[in-house]
Formats: sequence, C-alpha cells, structure tokens
Amino acid sequence: KQEVTQIPAALSVPEGENLVLNCSFTDSAIYNLQWFRQDPGKGLTSLLLIQSSQREQTSGRLNASLDKSSGRSTLYIAASQPGDSATYLCAVKKAGNMLTFGGGTRLMVKP
Amino acid sequence: ETGVTQSPTHLIKTRGQQVTLRCSSQSGHNTVSWYQQALGQGPQFIFQYYREEENGRGNFPPRFSGLQFPNYSSELNVNALELDDSALYLCASSPLAGTDTQYFGPGTRLTVL
Repeated sequence: KQEVTQIPAALSVPEGENLVLNCSFTDSAIYNLQWFRQDPGKGLTSLLLIQSSQREQTSGRLNASLDKSSGRSTLYIAASQPGDSATYLCAVKKAGNMLTFGGGTRLMVKP
Repeated sequence: ETGVTQSPTHLIKTRGQQVTLRCSSQSGHNTVSWYQQALGQGPQFIFQYYREEENGRGNFPPRFSGLQFPNYSSELNVNALELDDSALYLCASSPLAGTDTQYFGPGTRLTVL
C-alpha cells in the first residue's frame, strides 16, 4: 500500500525566504507526482506535475524535483510572499486512477 | 476557476441520515473522481466514474455510492451517516480516464452531528 508523508506538517517563515517542502512515498513504482495548493476550506489547485521519467518541473518561483528511486520529492519556493500562505499537498499516481495524497504542509509567510 | 462546481457548499446532517452531494464537471470531461478530506488531513480517494460506470474504488464501505449522468454530472451518496463522515468532499474531473490532469471543485463541507 502506497503511503505518502510530508514534512514539515507546518512551517512559518518571514517574507522573502526561500523554502523547501518535502514529500516521501513508500512505493517507487509511480506514474507521476503532483503538487497542489489548497487555501482554507477550498478545493485544490494543481501547481506542478512531474512524470516518473522526469527529474524536475519549474513554474515561476516554484521548482519541484523528483527522485523516484529514493521515493522523494521536494517543492522549492523562492522569495516567499504572504500570498503563498496555504496548505501544500503532494500526491502520487500509480497505474490506475487514484491519487494518493500526503497530509500536507501548512505554510504561513509573515509580512 | 476550474469550471467544476459542487453543491451544496455546506451541509449538516445527523447520524444515521442519508446525504447526496452533487458535482458538475467541466465541459467535455467524461471522468469524475470523488475524494474525502478530513480536517487537517490529505484527501482520500473514494471512487471514480468513467462514462457512467464505476472505474476504480478506494477503501470505503458500500454505503458510499455514486452515479454519473449522461451529461457527466455526478452524485455521491452516503447512507447511514457516521460522525467520522464529517469532512470536505471534493470532486475532480478530467477529460479522459487515466489522464494526468484532474480539475478539482471547491468541495462540500459535510458535518454529521
């Protein structure tokens, strides 16, 4: 059974810091890995999707890396802003249709 | 905005009751997935429907059931509600079964008293 863990569970940083969120998964036989953002009480917004054959994806100030063999992914956020405050979720997909999510990292960026 | 809508936004029920949650997929999407997200946790996959048939199911009991209609709208039905069913229920649609991109709706917050 695939298990996904995110560390840290919560993070509070001052504005402008660069930060790294971590995601680990137990079964390396994944199809892809995806990072989502969730604002309080809202749905999920896809940020980055990395196929199993890829090492990283970048979008603006966000960079996600994938090391499938070690079961790890990181989401790097450069020059953090208060608007980045949200919960960040990673999810892995094996062959089939379901996404398995981690518990999320709650990020607070203070002005 | 993803184009995926859910109703109602909030719902309060009592233990033992039945509930129906609704999802309207993005135009052209024939696959819908439902997830349960308890407070402070990540979403858990309930099931997926593709062309009106169940196409994968997570570890949820049979009292969780669903329907998908020809216009690709969808319902999640939960019978015999339990306190632990209190959660945010999310639906996500995608153009084809197995495609990478799923578009999530805003969710329905269900509270069971």
